[in-house]
Amino acid sequence: RKEVEQDPGPFNVPEGATVAFNCTYSNSASQSFFWYRQDCRKEPKLLMSVYSSGNEDGRFTAQLNRASQYISLLIRDSKLSDSATYLCVVGGQNFVFGPGTRLSVLP
Amino acid sequence: EAGVTQFPSHSVIEKGQTVTLRCDPISGHDNLYWYRRVMGKEIKFLLHFVKESKQDESGMPNNRFLAERTGGTYSTLKVQPAELEDSGVYFCASSPLVAGGSYEQYFGPGTRLTVT
Repeated sequence: RKEVEQDPGPFNVPEGATVAFNCTYSNSASQSFFWYRQDCRKEPKLLMSVYSSGNEDGRFTAQLNRASQYISLLIRDSKLSDSATYLCVVGGQNFVFGPGTRLSVLP
Repeated sequence: EAGVTQFPSHSVIEKGQTVTLRCDPISGHDNLYWYRRVMGKEIKFLLHFVKESKQDESGMPNNRFLAERTGGTYSTLKVQPAELEDSGVYFCASSPLVAGGSYEQYFGPGTRLTVT
């Protein structure tokens, strides 16, 4: 079993749709949680950190459930520019990356 | 503020040759990390420096890989001799030194290594 698992994707959604990404992790000692986005042939860029209380940044909402070892990312009113691969990243001693879920927002 | 930079952006070498990748972290970031993405796989941790010291090198594939960070500033990752399976994108990341947990890491653009 992989340490970090994500929805396999790809997700193809129309502009304006709401899309949710799911992630689970196996190491209960993990201490920090992030969502990164990666555009094709580019480096991962931090989208947001994820806190137990949940956090929101504009159209993006992240949730963490430590008991279930589950992380989610919700994108509302999706834009063409949201098209990318979304990486769930779990930190302990170091970062462990999920395989990513590709999102394509269609006009 | 300048981000993490990496050099070269691309490198194509033959099996058996040596390649050295360089990473310049964000100024003031004591943590420096190397990662690798092999085609079709997720990004994998290679090693972690705190200043000039290797904190964790558990992800280094084998002894053909040598990382250094003399003076605690930039870092180099040397592959000698390169093998076909070393092909991939090598990312460097940096973060400030904070107590407890993992701080957000900022990634460089990566070096795409192709071994033929």
